[in-house]
This record gives sequence, structure tokens and C-alpha cells, in this order.
Amino acid sequence: EVQLVESGGGLIQPGGSLRLSCAASGFIVSDNYMSWVRQAPGKGLEWVSVIYSGGSTYYADSVKGRFTISRDNSRNTLYLQMTSLRAEDTAVYYCARDSNNGWHHLYWGQGTLVTVSS
Amino acid sequence: QSALTQPASVSGSPGQSITISCTGTSSDVGGYNYVSWYQQHPGKAPKLIIFDVTYRPSGVSNRFSGSKSGSTASLTISGLQAEDEADYYCSSYSSSRTGVFGTGTEVTVL
Repeated sequence: EVQLVESGGGLIQPGGSLRLSCAASGFIVSDNYMSWVRQAPGKGLEWVSVIYSGGSTYYADSVKGRFTISRDNSRNTLYLQMTSLRAEDTAVYYCARDSNNGWHHLYWGQGTLVTVSS
Repeated sequence: QSALTQPASVSGSPGQSITISCTGTSSDVGGYNYVSWYQQHPGKAPKLIIFDVTYRPSGVSNRFSGSKSGSTASLTISGLQAEDEADYYCSSYSSSRTGVFGTGTEVTVL
């Protein structure tokens, strides 16, 4: 059974850094495309970043240069390192296992809330 | 990376059919057959219901169907049921090798 469990969210001051984790089970992270998607409170979904099985990474313009997606094959875990955080980064962050053929998010975690506030 | 345009809300009576539109550009919806749709109930993670414009994942009701014409994709829910009341989002691959979601549509079953 595919499971994705995010952690690492919390309250952080503007300008601070935070690393989110997404522990996967039931499949191998490095064999799959993996994405981060966020949702600000009461707002819609926003795609954040993807890492392909080959290791290529891509980012939304809103986070480029501040966020870094990565994975640890030994831990079968996906990460999102977030720096220079802003109030507008406040959201629930979901990790997702994507299709390797096409562009769709097959499985989602339950999400972790990041609140950027002083 | 502007969000795809969806109507804010759509409503229908039980048993009726409703259609949700998703308008993008030639750089996303119009340029690729990589449109997907997600259903999200309050407080829950999104769930994939349509991928590659017209395909349903295993286990998703055949009351959900997708289509595309030019830069506008559509999701149709037929035989509307109370459990279909949720938010719906479209998504597309874009030419910048990134993804983009729609603005979201709240479906109300009257």
C-alpha cells in the first residue's frame, strides 16, 4: 500500500528556514517523479516543485531560488528545504507521488502546515 | 505560470449533470494532453479523478468524465450525488516544465 507521511511543518518567523520531510512506503521514491503542492488557508492548490526519477528538478517561479527539493534514497524520503520564508508561503504542504508517464499526482500525503509569522 | 481559470462555483440537483470548465493557454492546456482533475473534500487531501484529459484511475466512478477542446478542458459529473459536493481543481503540464493548477470550483448539490 502506498503511503506518504509529511512532517516538519510549524511556526517560523519571516526570513527563516524549514525543512519538510515526506516519508514514503509501498514504493521506491527514487524510481518515481515526486512533487510538492501547497494550499494556503482557504485558497486553491499551487504546484511548488518536482523531482524526476533521473534527478532533474523544477520549481514554480514563486519559490525558485528559495526552495530546494531533494530525496534520500536510503531513507526513501522526499524533502523540501525552504529558506527566506515569507508570509505568503504560509500553507499546507502536500507531497505527492506522480505518474512517470504524463503529469498527474497519483497519491497524496495528508499534508503539513507551515505558518510564517512574527 | 498563471493559474488556469475555473468557475468559482457550480451547483446542481441530485441526478443532474454538471460541467466544470478549465481554461488555459497554448502553453499549457492547449499544448499537451496532460490535463488532470482532482476532487478535494474539506480538510482532506486532493484525490485524482481524471488524468491525461479523459482517463479515470481505477476505482473512480464512471460518472466522472473529462474532455478538451483547444485550450479549454472540461470535467462532467453525471448523475450528481450528495457525496460529489466538494472542491474540484484542474491541472496541466506547461511548456516551462512546471505544473499549474486551476483556480478551483466549489460544487454544491442542491
